[in-house]
Amino acid sequence: DAGITQSPRHKVTETGTPVTLRCHQTENHRYMYWYRQDPGHGLRLIHYSYGVKDTDKGEVSDGYSVSRSKTEDFLLTLESATSSQTSVYFCATRTGGAYGYTFGSGTRLTVV
Amino acid sequence: TQLLEQSPQFLSIQEGENLTVYCNSSSVFSSLQWYRQEPGEGPVLLVTVVTGGEVKKLKRLTFQFGDARKDSSLHITAAQPGDTGLYLCAGGGNNAGNMLTFGGGTRLMVKP
Repeated sequence: DAGITQSPRHKVTETGTPVTLRCHQTENHRYMYWYRQDPGHGLRLIHYSYGVKDTDKGEVSDGYSVSRSKTEDFLLTLESATSSQTSVYFCATRTGGAYGYTFGSGTRLTVV
Repeated sequence: TQLLEQSPQFLSIQEGENLTVYCNSSSVFSSLQWYRQEPGEGPVLLVTVVTGGEVKKLKRLTFQFGDARKDSSLHITAAQPGDTGLYLCAGGGNNAGNMLTFGGGTRLMVKP
C-alpha cells in the first residue's frame, strides 16, 4: 500500500488550460513538497507545506499555486498551462528532523 | 543559497567494477541523504548520515559524510546491473520548511 499516491500518473493538456495535480499521503507527515524534474536541471522545488493551510514558495513557483486543506492532501495547480511546464512532477513528504523524503511515483505532464 | 554538486554526471561501467560518486558543497549541512531513482519512479531513500566523518554500509554500498559536513561520497563495490539508476544526494539544513537541497544527480549504467 503506497504511502504517497499521485494522480494522475500521466496527463496531456492544451496550452492555457488549468491543471490540478493531486498528492495524497497516508503517512501523517507534516511536511509536503512539490518538485519538478527536468533533464539538466535536476529536482527543483515548486512549493511546500509545513502544515494544514501553511504553504510557501520554492525556487520555481511562478505559474503554480498550491493548497493543503487536510494533512493528507496537497494539490498543485497550474493556473494556465504553458509548454515550459511540461515536466515530471513529484510530490514528497517528510516527517521532519534528519529523516529523508518519501516520494510519490510522479506525474508526467505534457502541455501541447 | 546552498548548492550541491555531484560528480561525475554520467558513469558507464562493466559489471564487477568499483565506483565512487561525489557530492560536494561549500555549505554545511545538518544531514546528508542519498537516493536512487529508477526510470518512471520517484527517488527512494538509501541512507541518511548526520555526523561528520560518519560511515554507513548498506551491503555493497558505502556512504561517507565529510568531517566538516560539507561533502559526501557513495562507493559501490563490485557493481551489478541492478545498481543502474540515477543517484541523488540531498543536504538538509535549518530552514522553516525542513527542505532538502538536491544535487544534480549521477546517472550510473552497469553493463553485464
